[in-house]
Amino acid sequence: KAGVTQTPRYLIKTRGQQVTLSCSPISGHRSVSWYQQTPGQGLQFLFEYFSETQRNKGNFPGRFSGRQFSNSRSEMNVSTLELGDSALYLCASSPDSGGGGYTFGSGTRLTVV
Amino acid sequence: DQQVKQNSPSLSVQEGRISILNCDYTNSMFDYFLWYKKYPAEGPTFLISISSIKDKNEDGRFTVFLNKSAKHLSLHIVPSQPGDSAVYFCAATTPGANNLFFGTGTRLTVIP
Repeated sequence: KAGVTQTPRYLIKTRGQQVTLSCSPISGHRSVSWYQQTPGQGLQFLFEYFSETQRNKGNFPGRFSGRQFSNSRSEMNVSTLELGDSALYLCASSPDSGGGGYTFGSGTRLTVV
Repeated sequence: DQQVKQNSPSLSVQEGRISILNCDYTNSMFDYFLWYKKYPAEGPTFLISISSIKDKNEDGRFTVFLNKSAKHLSLHIVPSQPGDSAVYFCAATTPGANNLFFGTGTRLTVIP
């Protein structure tokens, strides 16, 4: 059974650019969540999608957005990149909401220069 | 506002001894707690969880203890093995929620 797949694994972007990250959940999982991991901050929740609808959003600026497609694949977009956006972005999928049960991908390491 | 806190950034333990990782939380609405283990260049992997209606859950070498009155939980690993060396994250969620609140992690090093 394939796990959660995130692409690309590594990305270098210039300040001011935008970036799109992709996440393919485990087959049958309908919930996809995104997290940002930075040193000293742990994992911070970005947003969660279920059946193409955003159900929950963390405390991030509007430059961070996402969407989910009918096949449950999800993308997140960051516009007008800032140096502080450099982080590991993790995607997690689960069959449904609540109670844990989240499986994480290996993440996309974004470096903004 | 960090609702889940892991105050020890790192911990070193001799192989075969007990590792105790601690986690504190501030939100009394949290009803489910999880521990994740993370190796470099990989995503976190689920280790063990506990519901707020319990005070202990055990799975092999791993035991999680929950003290609701103190808003504190701990993960015990006995005996510790070199392969346990990783970053451990404590996480919590509220009823019906669809996101996790994570601590900042504790790096465990098990010395052979």
